[in-house]
Amino acid sequence: DVKVTQSSRYLVKRTGEKVFLECVQDMDHENMFWYRQDPGLGLRLIYFSYDVKMKEKGDIPEGYSVSREKKERFSLILESASTNQTSMYLCASSFQREAYNEQFFGPGTRLTVL
Amino acid sequence: KQEVTQIPAALSVPEGENLVLNCSFTDSAIYNLQWFRQDPGKGLTSLLLIQSSQREQTSGRLNASLDKSSGRSTLYIAASQPGDSATYLCAVDTGGFKTIFGAGTRLFVKA
Repeated sequence: DVKVTQSSRYLVKRTGEKVFLECVQDMDHENMFWYRQDPGLGLRLIYFSYDVKMKEKGDIPEGYSVSREKKERFSLILESASTNQTSMYLCASSFQREAYNEQFFGPGTRLTVL
Repeated sequence: KQEVTQIPAALSVPEGENLVLNCSFTDSAIYNLQWFRQDPGKGLTSLLLIQSSQREQTSGRLNASLDKSSGRSTLYIAASQPGDSATYLCAVDTGGFKTIFGAGTRLFVKA
């Protein structure tokens, strides 16, 4: 079974803090993704990575950065957290097979920025 | 621009009923379509993935169909159970690492 784990289920931070969200997958997937999910807005892609040290912006990258130093680990960084970054953050991974890149998701991190 | 719509937004059915969830998309140029389940406050669980060349996929009481030409997919759940209560999302892969998600259908199965 594919397993995608995220470092925290719940996180409370203060405005201006630097926040690290970590995601680890154990299936040797090439692709990894960070989404945020908000009521009424659905899932939106923040960043993705298709290889170690490679990263590409998604639809809403502003205020975020990412790091992928190892294939199994993809980190999302909030350089200076703001209240509008309060959200559910979901990490996903997949193989790089065009017609069959099934995405597997982690349990999510509920981040609250005060 | 690809758009994914799920109707209805919410559905309540009695236990044991067979039901169909609908997903429509505006651009038929897709690589695959995936159905997910999401429990409140949790991540997404992959249920079924249908490749663009396939017409349907089955897993247990779930059957998903795909009609690319009409831009539609359905998720059929047989003999629904209270444990099936969750939000169901469909997502289309348009290539280039771009997956478009629907807003979901919230399902409640009454015991």
